[in-house]
Amino acid sequence: EADIYQTPRYLVIGTGKKITLECSQTMGHDKMYWYQQDPGMELHLIHYSYGVNSTEKGDLSSESTVSRIRTEHFPLTLESARPSHTSQYLCASSEAHRGYTFGSGTRLTVV
Amino acid sequence: DQQVKQNSPSLSVQEGRISILNCDYTNSMFDYFLWYKKYPAEGPTFLISISSIKDKNEDGRFTVFLNKSAKHLSLHIVPSQPGDSAVYFCAASESGGANNLFFGTGTRLTVIP
Repeated sequence: EADIYQTPRYLVIGTGKKITLECSQTMGHDKMYWYQQDPGMELHLIHYSYGVNSTEKGDLSSESTVSRIRTEHFPLTLESARPSHTSQYLCASSEAHRGYTFGSGTRLTVV
Repeated sequence: DQQVKQNSPSLSVQEGRISILNCDYTNSMFDYFLWYKKYPAEGPTFLISISSIKDKNEDGRFTVFLNKSAKHLSLHIVPSQPGDSAVYFCAASESGGANNLFFGTGTRLTVIP
């Protein structure tokens, strides 16, 4: 049974549209993360949060933004989607830095 | 510059045989290492971990070996089963850093029945 949920699982959207990828966890974890993964490539950290009202950019520059208004919720927003944003987006949470629990991911295609 | 490297993008093994997946790292400050398993269209799931104070950790069919001097770790799966077919990611973190995990590019394991 998943304790971290991502919606939607798959999304195909036109260029220029605004989208929000949802991520929620029921474990009460303070730390949450967004990773981006292209096929055959490593997972790149694009955003992380250590608690409510705390957000930081990760190692990979991203045009997306995140918010953390509630502990359990860490949505990612793209104001204007482009084909270069096509990728898989993975959300994770952790209680300590020793190991993450990942969601099932959102596979985004921008046409 | 990639700090965690998995140089073999794929590996095929006969069912019942041993699978050995390798991982190298460059950051000597890494002190905790993990292996994740990922099926298509799903998120990675935690498999096994090892702290730098150990050189071996075993959990059922899965054993992780750490060679700190060589900055190398490996995951052994024995015996391999068709259900083990997945992409395996190596990850590492350092205590004093940003507490983030650094991932390798993954190795796709195919276990042939």
